Amino acid sequence: AQTVTQSQPEMSVQEAETVTLSCTYDTSESDYYLFWYKQPPSRQMILVIRQEAYKQQNATENRFSVNFQKAAKSFSLKISDSQLGDAAMYFCAYRSQSGGSNYKLTFGKGTLLTVNP
Amino acid sequence: DSGVTQTPKHLITATGQRVTLRCSPRSGDLSVYWYQQSLDQGLQFLIHYYNGEERAKGNILERFSAQQFPDLHSELNLSSLELGDSALYFCASSVEGLAATARYNEQFFGPGTRLTVL
Repeated sequence: AQTVTQSQPEMSVQEAETVTLSCTYDTSESDYYLFWYKQPPSRQMILVIRQEAYKQQNATENRFSVNFQKAAKSFSLKISDSQLGDAAMYFCAYRSQSGGSNYKLTFGKGTLLTVNP
Repeated sequence: DSGVTQTPKHLITATGQRVTLRCSPRSGDLSVYWYQQSLDQGLQFLIHYYNGEERAKGNILERFSAQQFPDLHSELNLSSLELGDSALYFCASSVEGLAATARYNEQFFGPGTRLTVL
């Protein structure tokens, strides 16, 4: 079974600074997707960014980028120019691409990000 | 707004009771996934339905069951409730297309149902 580990229960960053959230995962599969989800105080789950394992290029979405190291099974999220609205719980998630028709998400425990003005 | 709706938003009930949580997927999405978010267990996959058929079970208790109806809405039934069942229950929907790309398989989450068992 796949596991996802987020070793930082809490992180804080100053507004306009850069912060990196860590995620490692364990899998024996070669084809999969990795995601970062944001959960603000409203509790809504919001997809921030996705990475396809077969792509070597790291995904970027505006101020959000990832550092995907497939051999090391590492998938970190970098938030640049942090804004107050980035304060939230961030979840790293794994999805197998070889699970037949079941594409369940396996989540890490989350990292609570605080943005200080 | 993800397009996925869940009702009710909040539910407070007593131990031993039974409740039903409802999820309406986005228009055109055939898959519904149920997840439970609790303080001690984190976010866990419960069960997956595709076009009315159960496809996979995760860490779902025997006291819990689900269905997906012909109109594709889904219901999660929780019975003999215990204090530990208090959690946020999410459903997520997705299009399971033939193309194996995240664009077609992204899961869109509903706002969740907050269940409190007293």
